[in-house]
Amino acid sequence: QSALTQPAFVSGSPGQSVTISCIGTSSDVGSYNFVSWYQQDPGKAPKLMIYDANKRPSGVSNRFSGSKSGNTASLTISGLQAEDEADYYCCSYAGGSTFVFGGGTKLTVL
Amino acid sequence: EVQLVESGGGLVQPGRSLRLSCQGSGFTFSDYALTWVRQAPGKGLEWVSFIRSRPYGGSPEYAASVKGRFIISRDESKSIVYLQMNGLKTEDTAVYYCARAVYDSRGYTLGFDYWGQGTLVIASS
Repeated sequence: QSALTQPAFVSGSPGQSVTISCIGTSSDVGSYNFVSWYQQDPGKAPKLMIYDANKRPSGVSNRFSGSKSGNTASLTISGLQAEDEADYYCCSYAGGSTFVFGGGTKLTVL
Repeated sequence: EVQLVESGGGLVQPGRSLRLSCQGSGFTFSDYALTWVRQAPGKGLEWVSFIRSRPYGGSPEYAASVKGRFIISRDESKSIVYLQMNGLKTEDTAVYYCARAVYDSRGYTLGFDYWGQGTLVIASS
Protein backbone atom coordinates (compact mmCIF):
# COMPACT_ATOMS: atom_id res chain seq x y z
CA GLN A 1 0.00 0.00 0.00
CA SER A 2 1.63 3.26 -1.12
CA ALA A 3 1.35 6.40 0.96
CA LEU A 4 -1.23 8.98 -0.04
CA THR A 5 0.25 12.01 -1.79
CA GLN A 6 0.27 15.36 0.00
CA PRO A 7 2.21 18.54 -0.79
CA ALA A 8 5.27 18.72 1.43
CA PHE A 9 4.77 22.40 2.25
CA VAL A 10 1.96 24.94 2.17
CA SER A 11 1.88 28.45 3.55
CA GLY A 12 -0.50 31.33 4.03
CA SER A 13 -0.84 34.64 5.79
CA PRO A 14 -3.02 35.17 8.85
CA GLY A 15 -6.67 35.44 7.88
CA GLN A 16 -6.21 33.67 4.55
CA SER A 17 -7.47 30.21 3.62
CA VAL A 18 -5.27 27.31 2.66
CA THR A 19 -6.17 23.92 1.22
CA ILE A 20 -4.13 20.76 1.61
CA SER A 21 -4.75 18.02 -0.90
CA CYS A 22 -4.47 14.28 -0.35
CA ILE A 23 -4.35 12.15 -3.47
CA GLY A 24 -5.02 8.44 -3.25
CA THR A 25 -6.22 5.74 -5.55
CA SER A 26 -9.40 3.88 -6.40
CA SER A 27 -8.39 1.34 -3.73
CA ASP A 28 -8.48 3.80 -0.84
CA VAL A 29 -9.67 7.42 -1.06
CA GLY A 30 -11.65 6.73 -4.21
CA SER A 31 -13.53 3.79 -2.74
CA TYR A 32 -14.40 5.01 0.74
CA ASN A 33 -15.50 8.19 2.47
CA PHE A 34 -13.45 7.15 5.50
CA VAL A 35 -10.79 9.85 5.25
CA SER A 36 -9.45 11.55 8.36
CA TRP A 37 -7.08 14.43 8.95
CA TYR A 38 -4.63 14.96 11.81
CA GLN A 39 -2.73 17.96 13.11
CA GLN A 40 0.62 17.30 14.74
CA ASP A 41 2.76 19.77 16.64
CA PRO A 42 6.49 18.97 17.02
CA GLY A 43 7.08 16.28 19.61
CA LYS A 44 3.36 15.78 20.21
CA ALA A 45 0.84 13.10 19.37
CA PRO A 46 -1.43 13.65 16.36
CA LYS A 47 -4.81 15.28 16.94
CA LEU A 48 -7.92 14.31 14.98
CA MET A 49 -9.28 17.31 13.05
CA ILE A 50 -11.64 15.72 10.50
CA TYR A 51 -13.13 12.24 10.24
CA ASP A 52 -15.43 10.54 7.76
CA ALA A 53 -14.11 12.99 5.15
CA ASN A 54 -15.97 16.05 6.42
CA LYS A 55 -17.00 15.69 10.06
CA ARG A 56 -15.41 17.70 12.86
CA PRO A 57 -14.91 16.22 16.32
CA SER A 58 -16.26 18.18 19.23
CA GLY A 59 -13.87 20.98 20.15
CA VAL A 60 -12.27 21.40 16.73
CA SER A 61 -12.70 24.87 15.28
CA ASN A 62 -15.19 25.28 12.42
CA ARG A 63 -12.36 26.96 10.51
CA PHE A 64 -11.32 23.42 9.61
CA SER A 65 -13.32 21.64 6.93
CA GLY A 66 -12.87 18.53 4.84
CA SER A 67 -14.09 17.36 1.48
CA LYS A 68 -13.56 14.54 -0.97
CA SER A 69 -13.97 14.15 -4.70
CA GLY A 70 -12.93 11.02 -6.52
CA ASN A 71 -9.46 9.96 -5.46
CA THR A 72 -8.66 13.29 -3.81
CA ALA A 73 -9.48 14.49 -0.31
CA SER A 74 -8.88 18.03 0.88
CA LEU A 75 -8.50 19.87 4.15
CA THR A 76 -9.29 23.59 4.12
CA ILE A 77 -8.30 25.91 6.92
CA SER A 78 -9.99 29.29 6.76
CA GLY A 79 -9.11 32.42 8.73
CA LEU A 80 -5.57 31.15 9.19
CA GLN A 81 -4.08 31.74 12.63
CA ALA A 82 -0.53 31.44 13.93
CA GLU A 83 -1.58 28.50 16.10
CA ASP A 84 -2.50 26.51 12.98
CA GLU A 85 1.16 26.15 12.08
CA ALA A 86 1.82 22.42 12.32
CA ASP A 87 2.18 19.25 10.29
CA TYR A 88 -1.00 17.81 8.80
CA TYR A 89 -1.61 14.21 7.75
CA CYS A 90 -4.45 12.59 5.89
CA CYS A 91 -5.41 8.97 6.42
CA SER A 92 -7.69 6.74 4.40
CA TYR A 93 -9.35 3.41 4.99
CA ALA A 94 -7.99 0.97 2.41
CA GLY A 95 -10.31 -1.99 2.89
CA GLY A 96 -10.21 -4.93 5.26
CA SER A 97 -9.52 -2.68 8.26
CA THR A 98 -6.22 -1.53 6.81
CA PHE A 99 -5.26 2.12 6.53
CA VAL A 100 -2.81 4.35 4.73
CA PHE A 101 -1.45 7.77 5.72
CA GLY A 102 -0.28 10.61 3.57
CA GLY A 103 3.31 11.76 3.67
CA GLY A 104 2.41 14.87 5.63
CA THR A 105 2.25 18.60 4.90
CA LYS A 106 4.06 21.28 6.86
CA LEU A 107 1.89 24.37 7.16
CA THR A 108 3.68 27.66 7.70
CA VAL A 109 1.76 30.77 8.74
CA LEU A 110 3.67 33.72 7.29
CA GLU B 1 -11.43 11.32 30.58
CA VAL B 2 -10.26 9.01 27.82
CA GLN B 3 -6.58 8.16 28.12
CA LEU B 4 -4.18 5.89 26.30
CA VAL B 5 -0.73 5.33 27.78
CA GLU B 6 1.96 3.45 25.90
CA SER B 7 4.95 1.75 27.49
CA GLY B 8 7.62 -0.82 26.71
CA GLY B 9 9.81 1.06 24.27
CA GLY B 10 13.56 1.11 24.47
CA LEU B 11 16.84 0.23 22.79
CA VAL B 12 16.96 -3.25 21.29
CA GLN B 13 19.38 -5.02 19.00
CA PRO B 14 18.25 -5.88 15.48
CA GLY B 15 16.74 -9.35 15.34
CA ARG B 16 15.52 -9.22 18.94
CA SER B 17 11.99 -8.80 20.26
CA LEU B 18 10.11 -6.16 22.22
CA ARG B 19 6.54 -5.92 23.48
CA LEU B 20 4.70 -2.61 23.64
CA SER B 21 1.67 -2.03 25.82
CA CYS B 22 -1.10 0.54 25.58
CA GLN B 23 -3.25 0.99 28.68
CA GLY B 24 -6.69 2.42 28.06
CA SER B 25 -8.90 4.17 30.61
CA GLY B 26 -11.97 6.38 30.74
CA PHE B 27 -13.98 4.38 28.20
CA THR B 28 -15.46 0.92 27.67
CA PHE B 29 -12.34 -0.68 26.26
CA SER B 30 -14.01 -3.73 24.75
CA ASP B 31 -16.32 -1.57 22.60
CA TYR B 32 -13.49 0.00 20.63
CA ALA B 33 -11.05 -1.04 17.97
CA LEU B 34 -7.49 0.17 18.48
CA THR B 35 -4.55 0.75 16.23
CA TRP B 36 -0.78 1.22 16.34
CA VAL B 37 0.80 3.95 14.24
CA ARG B 38 4.51 4.70 14.12
CA GLN B 39 6.65 7.67 13.19
CA ALA B 40 10.31 7.28 12.33
CA PRO B 41 12.55 10.19 13.39
CA GLY B 42 11.83 13.18 11.18
CA LYS B 43 9.37 11.20 9.05
CA GLY B 44 5.63 10.93 8.62
CA LEU B 45 3.02 8.70 10.19
CA GLU B 46 2.82 5.05 9.14
CA TRP B 47 -0.07 2.75 10.00
CA VAL B 48 1.23 -0.48 11.58
CA SER B 49 -1.57 -2.63 12.93
CA PHE B 50 -5.26 -2.69 13.91
CA ILE B 51 -7.33 -4.88 16.16
CA ARG B 52 -11.10 -5.01 15.97
CA SER B 53 -13.29 -4.63 19.01
CA ARG B 54 -14.71 -7.66 20.75
CA PRO B 55 -18.19 -7.30 19.16
CA TYR B 56 -16.46 -7.53 15.78
CA GLY B 57 -14.36 -10.54 16.67
CA GLY B 58 -11.19 -8.86 17.92
CA SER B 59 -9.29 -9.92 14.79
CA PRO B 60 -6.05 -8.22 13.69
CA GLU B 61 -4.73 -6.55 10.56
CA TYR B 62 -1.15 -5.59 9.69
CA ALA B 63 0.75 -3.40 7.33
CA ALA B 64 2.80 -5.31 4.78
CA SER B 65 6.01 -3.95 6.33
CA VAL B 66 5.39 -5.76 9.64
CA LYS B 67 3.21 -8.71 8.67
CA GLY B 68 4.70 -11.95 9.91
CA ARG B 69 6.90 -10.17 12.47
CA PHE B 70 4.49 -8.17 14.64
CA ILE B 71 1.50 -9.48 16.57
CA ILE B 72 -1.25 -7.29 18.00
CA SER B 73 -3.46 -8.55 20.81
CA ARG B 74 -5.77 -7.22 23.46
CA ASP B 75 -6.56 -8.11 27.06
CA GLU B 76 -10.07 -6.94 27.83
CA SER B 77 -9.71 -7.68 31.56
CA LYS B 78 -6.79 -5.25 31.80
CA SER B 79 -7.88 -2.79 29.08
CA ILE B 80 -4.52 -3.19 27.38
CA VAL B 81 -3.57 -3.63 23.75
CA TYR B 82 -0.18 -5.13 23.02
CA LEU B 83 2.17 -5.06 20.07
CA GLN B 84 4.64 -7.93 20.10
CA MET B 85 7.48 -6.99 17.80
CA ASN B 86 9.74 -9.85 16.69
CA GLY B 87 12.71 -9.84 14.37
CA LEU B 88 13.17 -6.11 14.76
CA LYS B 89 14.94 -4.26 11.98
CA THR B 90 16.73 -0.92 12.08
CA GLU B 91 13.92 0.51 9.97
CA ASP B 92 11.46 -0.26 12.78
CA THR B 93 13.03 2.56 14.80
CA ALA B 94 10.22 4.99 15.53
CA VAL B 95 7.87 6.45 18.07
CA TYR B 96 4.94 4.06 18.36
CA TYR B 97 1.51 5.51 19.10
CA CYS B 98 -1.66 3.66 19.95
CA ALA B 99 -4.96 5.26 19.07
CA ARG B 100 -8.66 4.57 19.48
CA ALA B 101 -10.94 4.15 16.48
CA VAL B 102 -14.03 6.22 15.77
CA TYR B 103 -16.55 3.96 14.11
CA ASP B 104 -20.02 4.11 12.58
CA SER B 105 -23.05 1.90 13.13
CA ARG B 106 -21.77 -0.59 10.58
CA GLY B 107 -18.43 -0.90 12.37
CA TYR B 108 -16.38 0.99 9.81
CA THR B 109 -13.50 3.02 11.22
CA LEU B 110 -13.91 6.71 10.38
CA GLY B 111 -10.73 7.96 12.06
CA PHE B 112 -8.73 7.77 15.27
CA ASP B 113 -9.91 10.13 17.99
CA TYR B 114 -7.66 9.58 21.01
CA TRP B 115 -3.93 9.00 20.89
CA GLY B 116 -1.34 8.11 23.48
CA GLN B 117 1.85 10.09 23.96
CA GLY B 118 3.94 7.47 22.18
CA THR B 119 6.82 5.21 23.14
CA LEU B 120 10.20 5.26 21.39
CA VAL B 121 11.67 2.09 19.98
CA ILE B 122 15.26 2.14 18.78
CA ALA B 123 16.50 -0.94 16.94
CA SER B 124 20.25 -0.58 16.77
CA SER B 125 23.39 -2.52 17.50
